[in-house]
Amino acid sequence: GQNIDQPTEMTATEGAIVQINCTYQTSGFNGLFWYQQHAGEAPTFLSYNVLDGLEEKGRFSSFLSRSKGYSYLLLKELQMKDSASYLCAVRKAAGNKLTFGGGTRVLVKP
Amino acid sequence: EAQVTQNPRYLITVTGKKLTVTCSQNMNHEYMSWYRQDPGLGLRQIYYSMNVEVTDKGDVPEGYKVSRKEKRNFPLILESPSPNQTSLYFCAAGLSSYEQYFGPGTRLTVT
Repeated sequence: GQNIDQPTEMTATEGAIVQINCTYQTSGFNGLFWYQQHAGEAPTFLSYNVLDGLEEKGRFSSFLSRSKGYSYLLLKELQMKDSASYLCAVRKAAGNKLTFGGGTRVLVKP
Repeated sequence: EAQVTQNPRYLITVTGKKLTVTCSQNMNHEYMSWYRQDPGLGLRQIYYSMNVEVTDKGDVPEGYKVSRKEKRNFPLILESPSPNQTSLYFCAAGLSSYEQYFGPGTRLTVT
């Protein structure tokens, strides 16, 4: 099976940086995804890591360490519109089955 | 514009009454998937399909059926709905599970 853990909630100030951690245990690994989901809306794709290291996309970066079963999503220069839930998901090595963590709700305060 | 549509968006039904939630995509993507989202449990994959006539179980397939007779459509069928299937359902489509586009969601209540 797969266990994916991420904090339930985080609060940060506008303009600051927030790091959302995700740890996973899986019998096979073929990529880790981050999605953003605003309240009442569908998730939208943010990033994908399959090799160790940092992937940067504008204000958002995602890091992966396969040996540690660990990833983080870094949100820089926080804006009010970044208030949302951030979902970590792992794809198993065989097939295209995706397992999501419970999501981290980020609240950005002025 | 890339689009995944689901119908209905909201549905209230009674236990045991068969229902189908439709999902359609206009992107010609091979991969489609159904998820349910429940408070405290996050998104859980029900079924996915890699292409026409190819479907596989996700983490929570019990009580659900799917079919993929054509590439653009991937309906979710609840043969005998029960109250524990009350949830928010999302359909998604993508070239693979790599980057999925999600539909707007269907809120289902089974009484």
